[in-house]
Amino acid sequence: SAVISQKPSRDICQRGTSLTIQCQVDSQVTMMFWYRQQPGQSLTLIATANQGSEATYESGFVIDKFPISRPNLTFSTLTVSNMSPEDSSIYLCSVVQNTEAFFGQGTRLTVV
Amino acid sequence: RKEVEQDPGPFNVPEGATVAFNCTYSNSASQSFFWYRQDCRKEPKLLMSVYSSGNEDGRFTAQLNRASQYISLLIRDSKLSDSATYLCVVNPLGDMRFGAGTRLTVKP
Repeated sequence: SAVISQKPSRDICQRGTSLTIQCQVDSQVTMMFWYRQQPGQSLTLIATANQGSEATYESGFVIDKFPISRPNLTFSTLTVSNMSPEDSSIYLCSVVQNTEAFFGQGTRLTVV
Repeated sequence: RKEVEQDPGPFNVPEGATVAFNCTYSNSASQSFFWYRQDCRKEPKLLMSVYSSGNEDGRFTAQLNRASQYISLLIRDSKLSDSATYLCVVNPLGDMRFGAGTRLTVKP
């Protein structure tokens, strides 16, 4: 199994600012996934982060708003830029090993 | 149409009850299917994979119907600790697609 350390676990941010979320995996993985989970909703895939290339974004998500870094096979960051209250959500990183998805503990973001 | 659809519930059942959740998926090329459990304010965790022949793990039984693109989860003899949100997950192209989840509350 994969163990993922995600931080921060929560934050309250002013609108217009940016927050960078970090995920560290205890093993090397080719792809890391970033999800958003809004209150009472399921997980929505934001993007797939590949080491050595640009992230692949899902429809409705753009790089300028959610820039992603993937400097090596065990680490990735997601930045939520120019935040608005609509960005308040839980953000989760994930990896897949042997067809099982493992998740970080999540970052609970509140934008005020 | 959503890629993965579930009845959101909530399902409120007494201890000892049998409860069933259903899920449909739109991508007929999907190869892997799962049920995940998510407790309140926690990350999702794998409950069980779903195999074509159906599979059982203790009180939990999962079924897959490829022709109908339908997945089910049956929980027998419900326990208070089964209270959670159950997510239907489909893996069509190497990434996971999640249903909205079905919320279950088991009451004494």
